[in-house]
Amino acid sequence: DAKTTQPNSMESNEEEPVHLPCNHSTISGTDYIHWYRQLPSQGPEYVIHGLTSNVNNRMASLAIAEDRKSSTLILHRATLRDAAVYYCILNSSGGSQGNLIFGKGTKLSVKP
Amino acid sequence: DAGITQSPRHKVTETGTPVTLRCHQTENHRYMYWYRQDPGHGLRLIHYSYGVKDTDKGEVSDGYSVSRSKTEDFLLTLESATSSQTSVYFCAISERGARDTQYFGPGTRLTVL
Repeated sequence: DAKTTQPNSMESNEEEPVHLPCNHSTISGTDYIHWYRQLPSQGPEYVIHGLTSNVNNRMASLAIAEDRKSSTLILHRATLRDAAVYYCILNSSGGSQGNLIFGKGTKLSVKP
Repeated sequence: DAGITQSPRHKVTETGTPVTLRCHQTENHRYMYWYRQDPGHGLRLIHYSYGVKDTDKGEVSDGYSVSRSKTEDFLLTLESATSSQTSVYFCAISERGARDTQYFGPGTRLTVL
């Protein structure tokens, strides 16, 4: 499975935008880019996913580079509740298992 | 929120004891997964199921078995628990498997003394 690289940690101020980067230089044409987050003492939670085009939903936006070798999760206005570990995951449509390969993610801290 | 529950939520047991963890879903999703999460490793797949009575091994399946006799329940069994199986266990479900969004349960914290 293709690997992703994320910074170990990032800090943000409350109500400011946050850009969480992810590099996936070995991505294949069938890999979807998924983002999950895990709040303290909870299970991972789906945030957003995309293939080639930028995507928006009520939680966040996903900006995908034209060559698909990197992507950025954008939280438009960080709140204290957004403090979590964010995982960037490549989910292959060709895999039979469908399991997610979790890396160590980026721990986001949000300051009031 | 997807209807996924895990039981028990916390368990302390002794080495050599059998343990069964239960995952229950109300979404009628076909795929179910068991992951474990340990410090420094992220989540790793133990076993998964792609239908009733259809299961397969994941990355870290040694020492674990699973069963799925009906769509809504996926059981994870540690036949003889060891201290290395102390972990937080998460169940997940998805409708279509590969490429599809997964929804996770709240987790079970297992301590093996």
